[in-house]
Amino acid sequence: GAVVSQHPSWVICKSGTSVKIECRSLDFQATTMFWYRQFPKQSLMLMATSNEGSKATYEQGVEKDKFLINHASLTLSTLTVTSAHPEDSSFYICSARNREAFFGQGTRLTVV
Amino acid sequence: KQEVTQIPAALSVPEGENLVLNCSFTDSAIYNLQWFRQDPGKGLTSLLLIQSSQREQTSGRLNASLDKSSGRSTLYIAASQPGDSATYLCAVLNDMRFGAGTRLTVKP
Repeated sequence: GAVVSQHPSWVICKSGTSVKIECRSLDFQATTMFWYRQFPKQSLMLMATSNEGSKATYEQGVEKDKFLINHASLTLSTLTVTSAHPEDSSFYICSARNREAFFGQGTRLTVV
Repeated sequence: KQEVTQIPAALSVPEGENLVLNCSFTDSAIYNLQWFRQDPGKGLTSLLLIQSSQREQTSGRLNASLDKSSGRSTLYIAASQPGDSATYLCAVLNDMRFGAGTRLTVKP
């Protein structure tokens, strides 16, 4: 069964609204989780490292006020895309790691 | 910051061929390295995990090697099949960065 569960698997939202994506580590406690974005036919781009109980570490060029990350427990990290615009449409995927990396099934976000 | 590079970017082979995909990384002090495949529009499927103390791992027709001193890992696919067509990604698990991937097409 899935080790990391991501929800929703797809979402369509109106421009200007916010969307929250959840990522749950089902089999182990994850003090650190990772969020990626993937554009069509491109690789996974690391957006941020989510740290339980503290602020996320964002990669250069990723707007922290745009992509809010909360890691309030050892099994749950959330990514909120605030005031979404069509250019935020993408595939978002999360990961938790112990000695190996486990990925959620991804969320396809479409902003109309 | 770890830089991960995958060569070739794309590869097209006839069914039955053996092939090698390459992954190089800049910082040899890696934790573990993992190979994945991704089908179009889908998530990631883990193929092989190589721990930093290991030199290779095998699963079925797949064999992955790791040479930390040269900063390289290779994924060997034996007797390729059309079902192997996908994008293959390697990731260095220290900072969870991916290469750009190799898009493999196996023609019947």
